[in-house]
Amino acid sequence: DTAVSQTPKYLVTQMGNDKSIKCEQNLGHDTMYWYKQDSKKFLKIMFSYNNKELIINETVPNRFSPKSPDKAHLNLHINSLELGDSAVYFCASSHSRNQETQYFGPGTRLLVL
Amino acid sequence: AQSVTQLDSHVSVSEGTPVLLRCNYSSSYSPSLFWYVQHPNKGLQLLLKYTSAATLVKGINGFEAEFKKSETSFHLTKPSAHMSDAAEYFCVVSEGDTGRRALTFGSGTRLQVQP
Repeated sequence: DTAVSQTPKYLVTQMGNDKSIKCEQNLGHDTMYWYKQDSKKFLKIMFSYNNKELIINETVPNRFSPKSPDKAHLNLHINSLELGDSAVYFCASSHSRNQETQYFGPGTRLLVL
Repeated sequence: AQSVTQLDSHVSVSEGTPVLLRCNYSSSYSPSLFWYVQHPNKGLQLLLKYTSAATLVKGINGFEAEFKKSETSFHLTKPSAHMSDAAEYFCVVSEGDTGRRALTFGSGTRLQVQP
């Protein structure tokens, strides 16, 4: 059973398009995160949600909009995609009581042409 | 803000020899530190974590790390490398207030294991 799953695994699209990445966790966690890994493997937090409430919102263009329909899901919608958005996006989840122990999804590789 | 510095971007060892991946941290108080591994085209897996209990932390797959406050280090070691250990390794610190914690990753060390 996959604990944290992301779809799609790969996403190739043109500049200017709008796309979404979905994340689901079946661990019963109440906190979920989005991280971005750039071409140099550098990983940085983008957002975190706790019980569907936005907790962390780092300096990310407002073209990125996370949405949490329930505690088990955190989707990432990206408008007007740019070349610099090409990266691997990782979803993660944790308990709010133990936010330091995070479980990561397999990543979504986004390539913007 | 806390941060971690991985001193080597690339480490190459022979199979069966020891592994040492270096990490230094900066923090004004006792941090929570982690090592994560990322195999090629795979997600991130937690190897081990230090949260102010024993300074020598044992993780999965024979890895361990020692928290040394005097040296502000948290180096990852393994006595004998295996081919399957070839991957990217990230030293990570947890920061933020309660309820707003996030992980800050180092720049990563690519471990290559030669036959």
